[in-house]
Amino acid sequence: DAKTTQPPSMDCAEGRAANLPCNHSTISGNEYVYWYRQIHSQGPQYIIHGLKNNETNEMASLIITEDRKSSTLILPHATLRDTAVYYCIVISGNQFYFGTGTSLTVIP
Amino acid sequence: DSGVTQTPKHLITATGQRVTLRCSPRSGDLSVYWYQQSLDQGLQFLIQYYNGEERAKGNILERFSAQQFPDLHSELNLSSLELGDSALYFCASSVAPRGPSTDTQYFGPGTRLTVL
Repeated sequence: DAKTTQPPSMDCAEGRAANLPCNHSTISGNEYVYWYRQIHSQGPQYIIHGLKNNETNEMASLIITEDRKSSTLILPHATLRDTAVYYCIVISGNQFYFGTGTSLTVIP
Repeated sequence: DSGVTQTPKHLITATGQRVTLRCSPRSGDLSVYWYQQSLDQGLQFLIQYYNGEERAKGNILERFSAQQFPDLHSELNLSSLELGDSALYFCASSVAPRGPSTDTQYFGPGTRLTVL
């Protein structure tokens, strides 16, 4: 099963871009990368997902390296409401494997 | 609001008891997933149902069972409860069973179970 590695915590100034890295060096060719976030024990919230190409939606951008061994989630203008635990997940079959995630704190 | 509902929001019970957690998926979603989140273990996948049939099993204890009904709602039954079963239990739903294509899961607000 592909596993992910994320830094345990990060800080970001309000209004600045938050760049959250994720390593998934064992990812296989047909496995997608998903990003979710969890705000203080609420249900995890879907952010974005991708396979090979970079993706953007109204919440964030996802940059996947050409070798697909790592990716970066970008929140372009972080707000205090973006303070949460961010999970990078690689799908394996039917199952999501949540790691420990990155606790992002947006500082005023 | 993800469209996934879970009841009850909170549940307090005693060791040895049995409880049932309920989940209603988003309209049109056929798959339901259950997850457990305890303080020391993070989010753990328990089980998935697709259109009434068990599809995938994760780290689910034998004391736990689940089912998905014809109206697609799902119940997670936890029996012979132990202190260590205290956790948040999340339900998620998606349109279809996961396969080569993507299938985003949408999570409910969770049920907080406290076993005393």
